[in-house]
Amino acid sequence: DGGITQSPKYLFRKEGQNVTLSCEQNLNHDAMYWYRQDPGQGLRLIYYSQIVNDFQKGDIAEGYSVSREKKESFPLTVTSAQKNPTAFYLCASSIRGDKHYEQYFGPGTRLTVT
Amino acid sequence: DAKTTQPPSMDCAEGRAANLPCNHSTISGNEYVYWYRQIHSQGPQYIIHGLKNNETNEMASLIITEDRKSSTLILPHATLRDTAVYYCIVRVAQGAQKLVFGQGTRLTINP
Repeated sequence: DGGITQSPKYLFRKEGQNVTLSCEQNLNHDAMYWYRQDPGQGLRLIYYSQIVNDFQKGDIAEGYSVSREKKESFPLTVTSAQKNPTAFYLCASSIRGDKHYEQYFGPGTRLTVT
Repeated sequence: DAKTTQPPSMDCAEGRAANLPCNHSTISGNEYVYWYRQIHSQGPQYIIHGLKNNETNEMASLIITEDRKSSTLILPHATLRDTAVYYCIVRVAQGAQKLVFGQGTRLTINP
């Protein structure tokens, strides 16, 4: 089955620790994205990548880092510099280009930092 | 990308049509209207998109007013599984592939 996987579903960390969230897709999509969602709110874009070895900051990139070494993988690191890291994190992917497309979302990782 | 306004919540009886409105009065000529929905604690799901003509697919219909300042998503025969938050998003079809999600409309389908 084609799709996007995120692991783990739930993640718990102590304050001050960096944590890396996994996102893998087998849809052969060039573009991948990371969003953050807080309770009762819409999604906000953290980082996106339109091609391997290239990525751009979204609206709330501070305290986060990403890498895109492989087409199918786009891991997100939540660093200790992120002031409010507890949130629901969603990864998405899409085809790349100047056309209509839909973004396919993974099931999300719920991160709790205490 | 243009801003959208949606009611925070709506209710609909199971089996009836659910009509979800969206205002996007500052929409530009090259911006499309997209709809996604998010079932509780899952990733959002694409529903439909359109420019100026009405669109229909297996999930829903999209009605865009002639002046393109508002649109309505129609779920023709709502089921309990349609209970979700529905997001109306306006964006250009090219360039940075960013979706800006507002707070959406929380649709509850009642038995």
